Amino acid sequence: NAGVTQTPKFRILKIGQSMTLQCTQDMNHNYMYWYRQDPGMGLKLIYYSVGAGITDKGEVPNGYNVSRSTTEDFPLRLELAAPSQTSVYFCASISGTSGRSSLEQYFGPGTRLTVT
Amino acid sequence: GQSLEQPSEVTAVEGAIVQINCTYQTSGFYGLSWYQQHDGGAPTFLSYNALDGLEETGRFSSFLSRSDSYGYLLLQELQMKDSASYFCACAIGGYQKVTFGTGTKLQVIP
Repeated sequence: NAGVTQTPKFRILKIGQSMTLQCTQDMNHNYMYWYRQDPGMGLKLIYYSVGAGITDKGEVPNGYNVSRSTTEDFPLRLELAAPSQTSVYFCASISGTSGRSSLEQYFGPGTRLTVT
Repeated sequence: GQSLEQPSEVTAVEGAIVQINCTYQTSGFYGLSWYQQHDGGAPTFLSYNALDGLEETGRFSSFLSRSDSYGYLLLQELQMKDSASYFCACAIGGYQKVTFGTGTKLQVIP
């Protein structure tokens, strides 16, 4: 299993441009998440999904959109990029099965985004 | 809303024991988990507590008191490689919303 994969690893955007951050997991997990992490800070939840076709807002959804057409993929769309969106973006998934590891989130390697 | 508070920095000596605390304020609390993150890396799962008490995994233990809205991560026999940031995270209403604490940067010194 590759786990959770994210592309691209790095990206520089100009103000006002748009892009899609890709996230794919091959573990058949129902629950998927997008976080952003600013330097020296914690992770802020942007959007999450409890299954294909179901998404909901987290703490900081403004400026972002998501879709979940398949169990495997959970892309994050940035429209009209702003310098405040400069951050590291992490995608994660949870299996949702019972047991001690039921809340274990598997993280992708992250996408480092700079908006100038 | 919900919040999880942690000390921002902790310094400890190699071979010693360190405790990292997490206090939370949230409704619909489902469980508390802990993650380690090295600089430039992704968070990795360490432990999870759904019920009150202590969970032990090797050198790491995690404790939860739901009545006190409090948990901690205990690291024993500290090694230099344990220098990292540690985050508590809680699930709200099941798996639906998993939010993270402010993070504690642990520095292990010789």
